[in-house]
Amino acid sequence: EAGVAQSPRYKIIEKRQSVAFWCNPISGHATLYWYQQILGQGPKLLIQFQNNGVVDDSQLPKDRFSAERLKGVDSTLKIQPAKLEDSAVYLCASSLGSPATNEKLFFGSGTQLSVL
Amino acid sequence: GNSVTQMEGPVTLSEEAFLTINCTYTATGYPSLFWYVQYPGEGLQLLLKATKADDKGSNKGFEATYRKETTSFHLEKGSVQVSDSAVYFCALNPRAQKLVFGQGTRLTINP
Repeated sequence: EAGVAQSPRYKIIEKRQSVAFWCNPISGHATLYWYQQILGQGPKLLIQFQNNGVVDDSQLPKDRFSAERLKGVDSTLKIQPAKLEDSAVYLCASSLGSPATNEKLFFGSGTQLSVL
Repeated sequence: GNSVTQMEGPVTLSEEAFLTINCTYTATGYPSLFWYVQYPGEGLQLLLKATKADDKGSNKGFEATYRKETTSFHLEKGSVQVSDSAVYFCALNPRAQKLVFGQGTRLTINP
């Protein structure tokens, strides 16, 4: 079974530039998550989709971050403009159901972003 | 609010040593509790979970017991191997809400 695919694996940009990350979840998984993992910290949820609808984006900095999952399958997370403090690993995860059913999350390998 | 506190790392042990990684939590209601592991160069993967008080989750020789009275979910393994070297994350899932992770504990096992 193919896992959660993310690209690119690494990205280096200068502050004020824009960047986009892509995620393709496991086939058939309804729920997709984007997490931000800053060095030395645990992952923090940025946004959660159920099919193509947003379930939780309470911790997404909406002035600079955006995400979409137009067809309920793959997803794109964008940062525009980037700040130094956005340097982190961006993790995508998917699950068959929702957190309410304690579904196991499957994580991709992440995109490591460095903002200079 | 909901939060998870893990013991500070890094933790370095010799092969075949006994492992404990402490995890305590604060939550409203009765959350489910998880341990996720991240091996070098890989994504996080679920190691074990417990969904109610006194439940014991176990996998690959690791165990953790959901202790409601001490709000803890400590991870243990009787005899660690070099291949157990990874970062371990404790997490909780309050009912119908998002997964909340601890800061992670880096474990290194020396041969």
